[in-house]
Amino acid sequence: GDSVTQMEGPVTLSEEAFLTINCTYTATGYPSLFWYVQYPGEGLQLLLKATKADDKGSNKGFEATYRKETTSFHLEKGSVQVSDSAVYFCALDGQNFVFGPGTRLSVLP
Amino acid sequence: EAGVTQFPSHSVIEKGQTVTLRCDPISGHDNLYWYRRVMGKEIKFLLHFVKESKQDESGMPNNRFLAERTGGTYSTLKVQPAELEDSGVYFCASSQEIAGGPQETQYFGPGTRLLVL
Repeated sequence: GDSVTQMEGPVTLSEEAFLTINCTYTATGYPSLFWYVQYPGEGLQLLLKATKADDKGSNKGFEATYRKETTSFHLEKGSVQVSDSAVYFCALDGQNFVFGPGTRLSVLP
Repeated sequence: EAGVTQFPSHSVIEKGQTVTLRCDPISGHDNLYWYRRVMGKEIKFLLHFVKESKQDESGMPNNRFLAERTGGTYSTLKVQPAELEDSGVYFCASSQEIAGGPQETQYFGPGTRLLVL
């Protein structure tokens, strides 16, 4: 069945550092891909999405490009802030909606 | 526009008791999903409603869990009797577009944190 794999956390960065959180997937067909974020004490929020190959989703300085050839949807941000500290979930919507295990990011001032 | 809301935000119960979680989707969203994250692990799908009908309940762990969506508006998820391993965060999501389609985006509620002692 469909599955999503994310890099294991926790990831700890200093403010203004470059962020990459890797995400790869296995799915039949052409699923839509998502990044969700869960800030401390809050629920899941959609961060960005991409619905087809080569699409780039972007929001709040975060970007991810749908790479069909590598079945990847890596999340990147050029300069992280303390307020970006959260748990990030990669997800796909194919036959079923499947989440990755989540990656906890801590950004230190 | 109001987002997905869930009630209660937290629940602490004893093993063997019953708990009912409620989810109010975004108005007009036909699709309603329940998920849970147990022990800080992966978020797992529980079931999917389209309006008042259960479209897919393959993720329901056992018959102690009962979900309803009478009238196709809000949904309830009842756990009876609750066990220790049911502790976790229960998320609800709703969407407007065709489920599984390229345009579907699921919007999540804040979750209900359930602790079974």
